[in-house]
Formats: sequence, C-alpha cells, structure tokens
Amino acid sequence: AQSVTQLDSQVPVFEEAPVELRCNYSSSVSVYLFWYVQYPNQGLQLLLKYLSGSTLVKGINGFEAEFNKSQTSFHLRKPSVHISDTAEYFCAVSRRGNQGGKLIFGQGTELSVKP
Amino acid sequence: EAQVTQNPRYLITVTGKKLTVTCSQNMNHEYMSWYRQDPGLGLRQIYYSMNVEVTDKGDVPEGYKVSRKEKRNFPLILESPSPNQTSLYFCASVGDRGSDTQYFGPGTRLTVL
Repeated sequence: AQSVTQLDSQVPVFEEAPVELRCNYSSSVSVYLFWYVQYPNQGLQLLLKYLSGSTLVKGINGFEAEFNKSQTSFHLRKPSVHISDTAEYFCAVSRRGNQGGKLIFGQGTELSVKP
Repeated sequence: EAQVTQNPRYLITVTGKKLTVTCSQNMNHEYMSWYRQDPGLGLRQIYYSMNVEVTDKGDVPEGYKVSRKEKRNFPLILESPSPNQTSLYFCASVGDRGSDTQYFGPGTRLTVL
C-alpha cells in the first residue's frame, strides 16, 4: 500500500519570498508522483508530475519539484511567490502499472501568501 | 475543451433523502472516480470505474453507490444520506495509463442536516 504525508498543514509566507512545501511518501512499489493545486472554490489542477528520468520536474506557474528516491520525498518549491499562489496544495502518488490511475493524496498544505 | 462537469455544485439536504450527484466527461476516458475531500484528510477515493458496467470500491465506499451505464457519465448516489457524508465531492476521469493526468470536476459541496 502507498501513503503520502505532507509535513506542513499551513505555510504562511510573504510575497516574493521563496517557499517549499514538503511531501514524503511510502510505497513498496514504484510510483508516479504528482502535485495538484486547488484554488478557492475550484477543483484540482495538475501542477506537475514525476514519471521517470530527471529528478527535477518543472511545472506550471513557476513551480518545480525534486524527486528524492533515497529520502522518498517530492518537495515542491517556488523561488518567488505571488499573492495569486494562495491555495491548497496536494501531493499524490499513483502506483506504476496501476490502470485507472488511483491517486493516494496527502492531507494538503494551505499556502497563504501575504503582501 | 476537455472537461469534467458535476451537478449540482452545492446541495443541502436532510438525513435519509436520496440524492444523486451527476458527473460527465468529454474526453472518452475509460476510468472515472469519485473522491471526497475532508479537512485534514485530503481526498479519499469512494468508488471508481474502469469502463461501462465495471465499477469497484475505493477506500471509503460505505453509504454510496455508483453506476456506469454510459462511458461519459458516472453518477454518485446516496440512498440514505447521513450527516457524516457532509463533504466536498470530486469526480475525476483519466486515460488508461497510470502516468496519465487525472482531470477533476469543480466539486459538489454537500451538506446533510
């Protein structure tokens, strides 16, 4: 079975500051890794995903994440945040070879960007 | 435009009154799922469907039913809603590979009194 832990439930940060949202996962099999963003009163939107290859993955809106197999982590980073980045962020995993794409989600991290 | 639609977006009901939340996708995806989102718990899968007439339980299926009579539609049915089913519900669809991106609907906020 797979599990995902997002280490921070809330992250307040000032505008233009860097941010890191932490995600650790546990799995006995190989997985795909995803970050989704949920803006207020909206559905989830894919930010980026790691399938294979380069461990540094770039996504939309200037976000990037690094896959670290030895630490089983997939932390999300942005060098300079904007007010519009205020949202809830979810880390998720999907088992490789699992048709149907069942996602196991973390608990979510609320990013609050203050002026 | 590729999209997943859900209706209604908001629903307030009373205990025991049967309700259905509809979900439709226009991407010809084989796989569709229902998730519920609760504070501090993230999203948890309720049911999923691999294709027409093929459905299976997810992690939290108790109190829910689904059907998949057409490829594009995947309604969620609550035969006798209870207050612990008050939640935010998302429908999602995805192609047939685990690496494919899931597309989520806008969500249905359900309150059961």
